[in-house]
Amino acid sequence: GAVVSQHPSRVICKSGTSVKIECRSLDFQATTMFWYRQFPKQSLMLMATSNEGSKATYEQGVEKDKFLINHASLTLSTLTVTSAHPEDSSFYICSARGGGVGPYGYTFGSGTRLTVV
Amino acid sequence: GEDVEQSLFLSVREGDSSVINCTYTDSSSTYLYWYKQEPGAGLQLLTYIFSNMDMKQDQRLTVLLNKKDKHLSLRIADTQTGDSAIYFCAEGLNTGFQKLVFGTGTRLLVSP
Repeated sequence: GAVVSQHPSRVICKSGTSVKIECRSLDFQATTMFWYRQFPKQSLMLMATSNEGSKATYEQGVEKDKFLINHASLTLSTLTVTSAHPEDSSFYICSARGGGVGPYGYTFGSGTRLTVV
Repeated sequence: GEDVEQSLFLSVREGDSSVINCTYTDSSSTYLYWYKQEPGAGLQLLTYIFSNMDMKQDQRLTVLLNKKDKHLSLRIADTQTGDSAIYFCAEGLNTGFQKLVFGTGTRLLVSP
């Protein structure tokens, strides 16, 4: 079936540095990618939606200069957390539309655990 | 507004049935979904239901939808220890991107 490969699975970075998270769709083209953030024992909060070749659409309250999203090709979308701080520590998950089972074929990556120290 | 609520925790014994409930607010949603998340992992689609259906059964899973009350439930028959996980309901919004809005998640614990 459709697979979205998300890397890294875990990352620890120092406060003030930037971290890039990649999501690749394998064997299908992901025209739309969703980026979520999940706090411990909480739900997934949609951060932004990206379409290949255009600017991402951010949800209310999400700082677009802090969470840079690039969807340069139909198989790759990246989320860069710039100048990370401890409050950015979280579990980040991407989801590609198309290629998966069910309506609209949402396929989720396995997530990235970011810890900022 | 978009608000999807679930009970936080459910504990059952192996072999019993589990029922996880969900309430949503957007009556225009075309599809409603149930996802499973194991620790430290992404989400796995379990099942979904079209908004004009009342019930859908898929092996051990039964989804009931009460559109009038905006209530969705997932019943897992013969629950196994491997079913222990967090279960999320989600509504698919009829926006340009058909984005998903997730519920708060229900942690299911199945004891032997």
